[in-house]
Amino acid sequence: NAGVTQTPKFQVLKTGQSMTLQCAQDMNHEYMSWYRQDPGMGLRLIHYSVGAGITDQGEVPNGYNVSRSTTEDFPLRLLSAAPSQTSVYFCASNPGRGSDEQFFGPGTRLTVL
Amino acid sequence: LAKTTQPISMDSYEGQEVNITCSHNNIATNDYITWYQQFPSQGPRFIIQGYKTKVTNEVASLFIPADRKSSTLSLPRVSLSDTAVYYCLVGNILTGGGNKLTFGTGTQLKVEL
Repeated sequence: NAGVTQTPKFQVLKTGQSMTLQCAQDMNHEYMSWYRQDPGMGLRLIHYSVGAGITDQGEVPNGYNVSRSTTEDFPLRLLSAAPSQTSVYFCASNPGRGSDEQFFGPGTRLTVL
Repeated sequence: LAKTTQPISMDSYEGQEVNITCSHNNIATNDYITWYQQFPSQGPRFIIQGYKTKVTNEVASLFIPADRKSSTLSLPRVSLSDTAVYYCLVGNILTGGGNKLTFGTGTQLKVEL
């Protein structure tokens, strides 16, 4: 199993541009989440999903959209990038109810100029 | 979600036992306690999880007193490779809270020779 994969690893955007961060897992996990981590800070939850077709907002959802059309994929869309969105983005998956073990991807380092 | 408080940083030497305590005064009846480890430029990695008393695995031990208002992660005989940030999280995994957890800023453990 590849686990949780994220692409790209690095990305530089200009203010106002849009892009999609990709996340995929091959463990048939029910739950998936997106976090951002700013320098010297903990992870903050952006959006999460408890199954295909079901998404909900986390702590810091503004400026981001998600969708979950399949169990495997959970892309994160930046609608109009802003410098405040410069961060490292982590995707995670979790087997589902009854489990608290999240499996994290390697992260995407995003810089918005 | 229960809020957690842990020391910002700790220093230790190789071969010593390290105990990191986390306070979670408003933990709910159905909440579990989970600890994650994060190395620089990597996503967090699950270490251990417990509900009460003591849990031990090949990596660490988790001590939870009867009132469950705190917990202690114990790392036996640390090495340089244990230098990382350690996060204490509290959440209700039984109702699907496992992917909506708040990570906080964690404890930076530095192990020296």
